[in-house]
Amino acid sequence: EAGVAQSPRYKIIEKRQSVAFWCNPISGHATLYWYQQILGQGPKLLIQFQNNGVVDDSQLPKDRFSAERLKGVDSTLKIQPAKLEDSAVYLCASSSAVGRRGANEQFFGPGTRLTVL
Amino acid sequence: GNSVTQMEGPVTLSEEAFLTINCTYTATGYPSLFWYVQYPGEGLQLLLKATKADDKGSNKGFEATYRKETTSFHLEKGSVQVSDSAVYFCAYYTGTASKLTFGTGTRLQVTL
Repeated sequence: EAGVAQSPRYKIIEKRQSVAFWCNPISGHATLYWYQQILGQGPKLLIQFQNNGVVDDSQLPKDRFSAERLKGVDSTLKIQPAKLEDSAVYLCASSSAVGRRGANEQFFGPGTRLTVL
Repeated sequence: GNSVTQMEGPVTLSEEAFLTINCTYTATGYPSLFWYVQYPGEGLQLLLKATKADDKGSNKGFEATYRKETTSFHLEKGSVQVSDSAVYFCAYYTGTASKLTFGTGTRLQVTL
């Protein structure tokens, strides 16, 4: 079974530029998550999708971050404009469970390491 | 508020030493508890989990017991190997919040 795919693996941009990350979850997984992991910290949930609907985006800085999952499969996360403090690893995860059982197991991708200069 | 506290790293051990990484949580209700591991250059992988009090999760020689009375889920391994070198994250999930909350991670380095 193929795992969660993410691209690019690394990205370096200057502040105020825009950047987009892509995630392809495990086939058939209804729930998709984007996390931000700042160096030395644990992952922090940015947004959770169930199929193509948003379940939780309470931690997403909506003035600069956006995410979509149009067909309930792939997802993109965009930052525009980027700030220095956005430097982090952005992790995508997926789960086959829905609703309150959504954390039975989340499968993580390798992440995209973003450096903002 | 809800949170997870892990012992700070790095933890440096010799091969075959006994490992304990402490984890305590503050959460309402009856959370499910998890340990995730992140090997260098890789994504997080679920190591083990426990969904109710007194459950013991185990995998690859690692164990952790869900202790509701002490709100703890300490990770243990009797004999570590160099290949266990990684960052370990404790996490919990509650249906109320419907999301995983992670600790800050503990880096383990095992030397020969």
